[in-house]
Amino acid sequence: GAGVSQTPSNKVTEKGKYVELRCDPISGHTALYWYRQSLGQGPEFLIYFQGTGAADDSGLPNDRFFAVRPEGSVSTLKIQRTERGDSAVYLCASSTGTGRAGELFFGEGSRLTVL
Amino acid sequence: AQSVAQPEDQVNVAEGNPLTVKCTYSVSGNPYLFWYVQYPNRGLQFLLKYITGDNLVKGSYGFEAEFNKSQTSFHLKKPSALVSDSALYFCAVRDPSSGTYKYIFGTGTRLKVLA
Repeated sequence: GAGVSQTPSNKVTEKGKYVELRCDPISGHTALYWYRQSLGQGPEFLIYFQGTGAADDSGLPNDRFFAVRPEGSVSTLKIQRTERGDSAVYLCASSTGTGRAGELFFGEGSRLTVL
Repeated sequence: AQSVAQPEDQVNVAEGNPLTVKCTYSVSGNPYLFWYVQYPNRGLQFLLKYITGDNLVKGSYGFEAEFNKSQTSFHLKKPSALVSDSALYFCAVRDPSSGTYKYIFGTGTRLKVLA
């Protein structure tokens, strides 16, 4: 079956530009997570959704970052006025639901480079 | 606040020898603990988890981990290492009593198995 799909796999942009990263979770998974992984670091939590709502967005670094999941499936992470420090791999993961101790299923990530 | 520590940046082991990758955690309640593996340019893959019950849990590819509550540890082990086990390993924790469903990851340990 299909796993978590992330697009684009690579994105190069210029400082100050707007970027959207897309995540298509495993069908039927109600929980969706976004993480950011910088070189040599572990995944850093950004936000997670249960259904359509953002259940915890405490990891978003500032108001330039925003994420949506309007129909409870596909999610988009939006970054405004990108900065060089935003360069990282953005990982999306899905899970069967937050009520269970389920493992996360990760996509292969979107590598963002801000020049 | 929940946290997890992986004290070793890198572990080297000879093929055929036993391996251990260390992880310690800090949570206010009883933890849910996970191990993931990451191969180059790939997303994280789930290996095993501890939720409750037997302290020794077995997972994929012959890996196992032992939950030790008194030492707040969850070390990953394998009796006989393979060169193909060389990868980046991440420990993660979730505190079900915290009111959040986010998973916190360690900084990772690079395992190098030498032929």
